[in-house]
Amino acid sequence: DGGITQSPKYLFRKEGQNVTLSCEQNLNHDAMYWYRQDPGQGLRLIYYSQIVNDFQKGDIAEGYSVSREKKESFPLTVTSAQKNPTAFYLCASSIDSSSSYEQYFGPGTRLTVT
Amino acid sequence: AQKITQTQPGMFVQEKEAVTLDCTYDTSDPSYGLFWYKQPSSGEMIFLIYQGSYDQQNATEGRYSLNFQKARKSANLVISASQLGDSAMYFCAMAPGAGSYQLTFGKGTKLSVIP
Repeated sequence: DGGITQSPKYLFRKEGQNVTLSCEQNLNHDAMYWYRQDPGQGLRLIYYSQIVNDFQKGDIAEGYSVSREKKESFPLTVTSAQKNPTAFYLCASSIDSSSSYEQYFGPGTRLTVT
Repeated sequence: AQKITQTQPGMFVQEKEAVTLDCTYDTSDPSYGLFWYKQPSSGEMIFLIYQGSYDQQNATEGRYSLNFQKARKSANLVISASQLGDSAMYFCAMAPGAGSYQLTFGKGTKLSVIP
């Protein structure tokens, strides 16, 4: 079945450690996105990528990094510079960012940093 | 800058009744898109319905319809014949221009369907 996979579903890390969240899609979508969701809040855009080897900062990119070496993969690294990394992280994709409005979301990764 | 406001933190509806979830928006872009997503307790975001700013008719998708009032900058979601499985968080979102890469989300409304 086509879709977006995120792994793991739950992730625990010690403060000061970098951690990488996986996002893979087999929908052949050009555009991919990372969002952060805090309790009682909507989603906020961290980074997005419209094509391979290109990505742009969203509203809250500080303390995060991404790569887009393959069309189907868009991993997110939460660095030690991120002041409050504990959150629910959602990855999404769309056919492209200029003509398709519907973003498809993965199941999310809940990151806890202590 | 764009802003989405959802003023109802929580709503209750009786099973089989209709319910309206409010959404107002603010943008200076002449062209934009409005979306509603459902988030069950499992966490994934499920796309429900889309309305373009130049669409003349209100969008409908099955039991979901979007009551679009451009002059009032509102995009309310109407769910008809509520089902127990409709209990979830509902988010209104907006994208500028022709692209969807900068979705701005509201804070959501938690809908609880009562048997």
